[in-house]
Amino acid sequence: KQEVTQIPAALSVPEGENLVLNCSFTDSAIYNLQWFRQDPGKGLTSLLLIQSSQREQTSGRLNASLDKSSGRSTLYIAASQPGDSATYLCAPGDSGNTPLVFGKGTRLSVIA
Amino acid sequence: AAGVIQSPRHLIKEKRETATLKCYPIPRHDTVYWYQQGPGQDPQFLISFYEKMQSDKGSIPDRFSAQQFSDYHSELNMSSLELGDSALYFCASSFKLEETQYFGPGTRLLVL
Repeated sequence: KQEVTQIPAALSVPEGENLVLNCSFTDSAIYNLQWFRQDPGKGLTSLLLIQSSQREQTSGRLNASLDKSSGRSTLYIAASQPGDSATYLCAPGDSGNTPLVFGKGTRLSVIA
Repeated sequence: AAGVIQSPRHLIKEKRETATLKCYPIPRHDTVYWYQQGPGQDPQFLISFYEKMQSDKGSIPDRFSAQQFSDYHSELNMSSLELGDSALYFCASSFKLEETQYFGPGTRLLVL
């Protein structure tokens, strides 16, 4: 059974810092991995999807990397802003269109 | 762009009552997923449908049932509600060939 761990559980940084969120998963036989953002009491917003054949994906100030063999993914956020404050969840998928298994997330707070 | 629609957004029920949650996927999406997120928890997969047939089943209680209709919308029926059913219920949809799951805003269920 896939287990997902996200480190750190919480992070507080001053505005402008670059930061890295870590995600590890136990079953490396994944098909893809998604990173989501969740604001308090709100829905999940998909940020990036990385296919198992890819090493990284970029969207604006976000860059996600995937090392499938070691069961790790990182989300890099450049020049953090207060609006980035949210919980970030990673979720590997075993194959296309299968249920996602979520980590418990990293709660990010960016201080102005 | 059209997003996943869930109704109602908020629902308050008494113990032992029933509830029906509705999900309208993004147009042309053929797969619907239901997730439950308890307070302070990560989302847990309940059940999914592909082309109106159940495709995967997760930790869905026997008191719950779901189906996907001919227009691809889905309903989650919850009976004999318990206090522990209080949670955010998310619906997500995807298109088989694109894989990314897009989440709705969720239905917040409170059981008193």
